[in-house]
Amino acid sequence: NAGVTQTPKFQVLKTGQSMTLQCAQDMNHEYMSWYRQDPGMGLRLIHYSVGAGITDQGEVPNGYNVSRSTTEDFPLRLLSAAPSQTSVYFCASSYNRYGYTFGSGTRLTVV
Amino acid sequence: TQLLEQSPQFLSIQEGENLTVYCNSSSVFSSLQWYRQEPGEGPVLLVTVVTGGEVKKLKRLTFQFGDARKDSSLHITAAQPGDTGLYLCAGAGGGTSYGKLTFGQGTILTVHP
Repeated sequence: NAGVTQTPKFQVLKTGQSMTLQCAQDMNHEYMSWYRQDPGMGLRLIHYSVGAGITDQGEVPNGYNVSRSTTEDFPLRLLSAAPSQTSVYFCASSYNRYGYTFGSGTRLTVV
Repeated sequence: TQLLEQSPQFLSIQEGENLTVYCNSSSVFSSLQWYRQEPGEGPVLLVTVVTGGEVKKLKRLTFQFGDARKDSSLHITAAQPGDTGLYLCAGAGGGTSYGKLTFGQGTILTVHP
């Protein structure tokens, strides 16, 4: 039982490049979310999903896209990377919203 | 927008002392969750409180949910160096915010031997 798997663990991008952060869970959880964590800011919600085919925006969605074609996968796409998107990104999933399992994070640097 | 104010932001205490972390909001949440995060790792769930006035205990940690389900507290008795870490509260939304989990800013706890 792998839990929530995020890839890659580290990534350096140049300004303007695009990339996809991968998130997969093997617990058959309906609820999945993407967060970014910056120093002193806690975790801020980017996008979330309440099931396959259903996504919605969180607090800071600009510059990011998501899709949920399967229950297991919830990729996060950066359309045109900016230095302001340098952060640690966490994916999380939950069976019933009453407790989330988090991945180990992707550390992204945009130069 | 549902906001959670967590305080204090930093807490530095000696081993054996007691402490309380507060999490307050003007919004009602369907549940309030507490997480602990170690450096370089993702948050790990400690407890979820659902019912107004609910109190849960996890060894030396006591969690309380306010009667109106807008606030929560985490009390640690006789803190130990192993309690050092980032503590985060998070509120699960209802209604049009169904599926959202909103985090407070976090409390960095350091327990000195």
